[in-house]
Amino acid sequence: EPEVTQTPSHQVTQMGQEVILRCVPISNHLYFYWYRQILGQKVEFLVSFYNNEISEKSEIFDDQFSVERPDGSNFTLKIRSTKLEDSAMYFCASSAPVDRGNYGYTFGSGTRLTVV
Amino acid sequence: AQSVTQLDSQVPVFEEAPVELRCNYSSSVSVYLFWYVQYPNQGLQLLLKYLSGSTLVESINGFEAEFNKSQTSFHLRKPSVHISDTAEYFCAALRAGRRALTFGSGTRLQVQP
Repeated sequence: EPEVTQTPSHQVTQMGQEVILRCVPISNHLYFYWYRQILGQKVEFLVSFYNNEISEKSEIFDDQFSVERPDGSNFTLKIRSTKLEDSAMYFCASSAPVDRGNYGYTFGSGTRLTVV
Repeated sequence: AQSVTQLDSQVPVFEEAPVELRCNYSSSVSVYLFWYVQYPNQGLQLLLKYLSGSTLVESINGFEAEFNKSQTSFHLRKPSVHISDTAEYFCAALRAGRRALTFGSGTRLQVQP
């Protein structure tokens, strides 16, 4: 079964440093997403990306965050200057073209980001 | 705005017993509803979804959920659980026309022998 692959599985970074979280979505999917889960809290939507641009974003997704699809296979989340409160599990997801009734999101296993 | 509430943070249950994980949602517009499961050190896997049609939906591993519009609920049930069902279960809602899932806080199902 096709998978969404995320790397690395765990990343430790110093406060103020830039980090890039990487994801390889399912090849024929067209929508890409980032979600995060702070330890002990809900999974929260960050951003959705379609046709090489952001289609929707949450209040969390401020100017320190950016997303990019640098080539035909990768989808990245960049955090420019990390803060302690950015420590969380970050999930990438992708979904198929919008057919009628098709909302099949596939999530990756996540990247645990620890900011120290 | 929409919200998803999972009142039970943990549900301990003995193997082969029935279980119900509760989920309530609030939304002023049509929503689609989902249950995801997260096994330890793994990602979120779609368990089942309600988009339209029959209000009772089933998964391949014996779980079922019923959409109840009047009670704004989408509770997850299984008549007989296995040790392997031990995991975190998340209810999620998607507003029609949007792409952002709203998740509940999760329920940890702990199946004991």
